[in-house]
Amino acid sequence: SQKIEQNSEALNIQEGKTATLTCNYTNYSPAYLQWYRQDPGRGPVFLLLIRENEKEKRKERLKVTFDTTLKQSLFHITASQPADSATYLCALVDGNNRLAFGKGNQVVVIP
Amino acid sequence: SQTIHQWPATLVQPVGSPLSLECTVEGTSNPNLYWYRQAAGRGLQLLFYSVGIGQISSEVPQNLSASRPQDRQFILSSKKLLLSDSGFYLCAWRMRPGTPLADTQYFGPGTRLTVL
Repeated sequence: SQKIEQNSEALNIQEGKTATLTCNYTNYSPAYLQWYRQDPGRGPVFLLLIRENEKEKRKERLKVTFDTTLKQSLFHITASQPADSATYLCALVDGNNRLAFGKGNQVVVIP
Repeated sequence: SQTIHQWPATLVQPVGSPLSLECTVEGTSNPNLYWYRQAAGRGLQLLFYSVGIGQISSEVPQNLSASRPQDRQFILSSKKLLLSDSGFYLCAWRMRPGTPLADTQYFGPGTRLTVL
């Protein structure tokens, strides 16, 4: 069956450090992968999209990598700030061109 | 610019009562529309999606239904709510596949439903 796996344990990180989140998937062949941010009680907000032919994508302090051989994406927040505390979801398109989401990984940045 | 609205923001309903949640999108036309549910500690579960007026696809069998009476309006309904229907309901839109910016999905603010 198709699975998208993200770490269920919250990542606690000191302000200024780099937070790294992992998204692993099985039985998908996505043309692209996306990362979203979700704050408590609010809808997810799109952050970054990386295509299968791209190894790395950056946006300000965010960096995403995509390894289709390992079936894995890494999401990095450099110089983390307390305002980065949120849950981060990875999503990829399935064979019916619909987005499937992981359960999300919570990040807590400690001042 | 495009915006997406959902109402109500919160709702407390007794078991067995009906439900109607509304979602509207502004600033775009012919969007794909989606209803998701997010239960506590769980991921986003796709409930329904629509590619056009009157066209609804259901992802999971349940006592919920969806309708799209207008191009930019998407409604989630139930005739009789169950306790298990409690959750955070999110509406989302996306440009039609094959159009520019079609890869990104935009979510509404959500409706918190508590069934007692």
